[in-house]
Amino acid sequence: RKEVEQDPGPFNVPEGATVAFNCTYSNSASQSFFWYRQDCRKEPKLLMSVYSSGNEDGRFTAQLNRASQYISLLIRDSKLSDSATYLCVVNIFGNQFYFGTGTSLTVIP
Amino acid sequence: DAGITQSPRYKITETGRQVTLMCHQTWSHSYMFWYRQDLGHGLRLIYYSAAADITDKGEVPDGYVVSRSKTENFPLTLESATRSQTSVYFCASSDKGGVAGANVLTFGAGSRLTVL
Repeated sequence: RKEVEQDPGPFNVPEGATVAFNCTYSNSASQSFFWYRQDCRKEPKLLMSVYSSGNEDGRFTAQLNRASQYISLLIRDSKLSDSATYLCVVNIFGNQFYFGTGTSLTVIP
Repeated sequence: DAGITQSPRYKITETGRQVTLMCHQTWSHSYMFWYRQDLGHGLRLIYYSAAADITDKGEVPDGYVVSRSKTENFPLTLESATRSQTSVYFCASSDKGGVAGANVLTFGAGSRLTVL
């Protein structure tokens, strides 16, 4: 079983739509959680860390459910510039990071 | 410039040749990592280092060698390149700290390697 699993998509949504991604992790000892964004042929970049209480950054909301071992990312009012691959990342110990394979999002005009 | 830089950004080589990919970070981060990214596999850890002179294998270390004589540098060497090592290689670094003690990974821009 993979440490981190994501629906690869693709998700194709119209501009202005709300879209949600989920990610499940298998190790209950996981300590830190992140969403990264990766544009085509470029490096992953941190979108947001995910905290137990949930957190919001503009149009983006991240949630963590430790009991069910999943994290989510909600994007409201999608923009064309949101088109990218979104990676779920879990950190178990200092050096152990596990990645989902990514969820592809295309926002359509 | 501050940050994490990789070189070369693009490299074409032939089977059997030795290739070294360089990674340099200016934050004095303790941890450094090398990943490869291939279609259908996502990011896979090759090697990591917790500090200078401390390295350890990741998920796919075969055919690769690393060293870390200085905190800021973490070169990755392909001793005898094979076609299966054609990939995009990302170096990353992290340090304990940040908000709520979370370790945040920061990636270099990547090195795209083609082995003919």
